[in-house]
Amino acid sequence: QVQLKESGPGLVQPSQTLSLTCTVSGFSLTSNSVHWVRQPPGKGLEWMGGIWGDGSTDYNSALKSRLSISRDTSKSQVFLKMNSLQTDDTAIYFCTLHLILWGQGVMVTVSS
Amino acid sequence: QIMLTQQAESLWISPGERVSITCRASQSLLYTDGKHYLSWYQQRPGQTTKALIYHASVRTDGVPTRFIGSGSGTEFTLSIEHVQPEDFAIYYCLQTLKSPYTFGAGTKLELK
Repeated sequence: QVQLKESGPGLVQPSQTLSLTCTVSGFSLTSNSVHWVRQPPGKGLEWMGGIWGDGSTDYNSALKSRLSISRDTSKSQVFLKMNSLQTDDTAIYFCTLHLILWGQGVMVTVSS
Repeated sequence: QIMLTQQAESLWISPGERVSITCRASQSLLYTDGKHYLSWYQQRPGQTTKALIYHASVRTDGVPTRFIGSGSGTEFTLSIEHVQPEDFAIYYCLQTLKSPYTFGAGTKLELK
């Protein structure tokens, strides 16, 4: 059964770095793409970036200077790192397989 | 970047009615393979984000046949026939033709 589960800190201080993990099961990371999407409270969806089966990555140009997506195929995990966080980075962060199957998301609040 | 416009922020309907949600792209979403890179998603409170339609008109596995995607070029529609109580949700379109992938602002289906 295909599953994706996001994990990470619920609270991050402004200017700090966010680190999230997406742990997957039921499929291989080397054959599939995993994307990160975020949603500020009460607002719409924003594609952040993705990592493809061959390990290549693509990022939203609006976030590219702050964002890094990587993976550990042996652990079936995909990682998101974003630096210089501000309050408007407060959002639910989702990982999704091919933008078809989605995790439940993890709420991240940026606040001092 | 490609902009997607969902003009209706909300639509009020009664169960059993038919409803159409539109999504307009700032440029054609037709790729050289003959497919349109436009998807539709449903978000319900407490549920994972659900992919309904990809390539403009192809239902994902398990999606009821009352969900119909149509359109071409820059104009796309998600129609729901005989709306069921569980269909009251927020619907988003997404283009994956060009990076950065972009979502529409969402249309909320509300009970009349």
